[in-house]
Amino acid sequence: EIVLTQSPGTLSLSPGERATLSCRASQSVSSYLAWYQQNPGQAPRLLIYDASKRATGIPARFSGSGSGTDFTLTISSLEPEDFAVYFCQQRRSWPLTFGGGTKVEIK
Amino acid sequence: EVQLLESGGGLVQPGGSLRLSCAASGLTFRSFAMHWVRQAPGKGLEWVSGLIGSDANTHYADSVKGRFTISRDNSNNTLYLQMHSLRAEDTAVYYCAKTLAASPNWFDPWGQGTLVTVSS
Repeated sequence: EIVLTQSPGTLSLSPGERATLSCRASQSVSSYLAWYQQNPGQAPRLLIYDASKRATGIPARFSGSGSGTDFTLTISSLEPEDFAVYFCQQRRSWPLTFGGGTKVEIK
Repeated sequence: EVQLLESGGGLVQPGGSLRLSCAASGLTFRSFAMHWVRQAPGKGLEWVSGLIGSDANTHYADSVKGRFTISRDNSNNTLYLQMHSLRAEDTAVYYCAKTLAASPNWFDPWGQGTLVTVSS
């Protein structure tokens, strides 16, 4: 099973600041990595897939990078609605796995 | 607009069974792989099961293998998750998720979820 480790666990930032979230895989997942956003009480939403492709309707301030074992989700300038929990997920091999999540909170 | 509506959750005793349903609309249901993902209270996401194409191509997390069965009814645009031998650790919100046309294993969108509570 591929283990995904996200860091940091919590990121405290102010609106307008840049957020950088990390996801590290226990073995190579090539570019088969996605990022999801989850707001309290809501279902997750797909932001990025194939490491760097934005899903439909996702603002350009969200970007993904990386390949192999190290990946980054960047939010260039935080909007109020971006304060949420973010999960990474791999589809390189079964079982599909998620990271433990990074909470982006208002400082 | 694609909509996914889960139902069938509730309170069940340990060892009991439950069948979850996910009614899909706004899509050609038979064309997409479908999955179940769960989230225990206050915890992260755990992939549970996926059905890629036909009922013959199914995948399960080790934690549910042999106890849960995923299936679909394309004529009624519905995905199912039959759960047996339920345990306390199965308590979670269960989400169904459609997959991207370009990939069978990216989840977009998700339903709103249905809560399963396993407790005596």
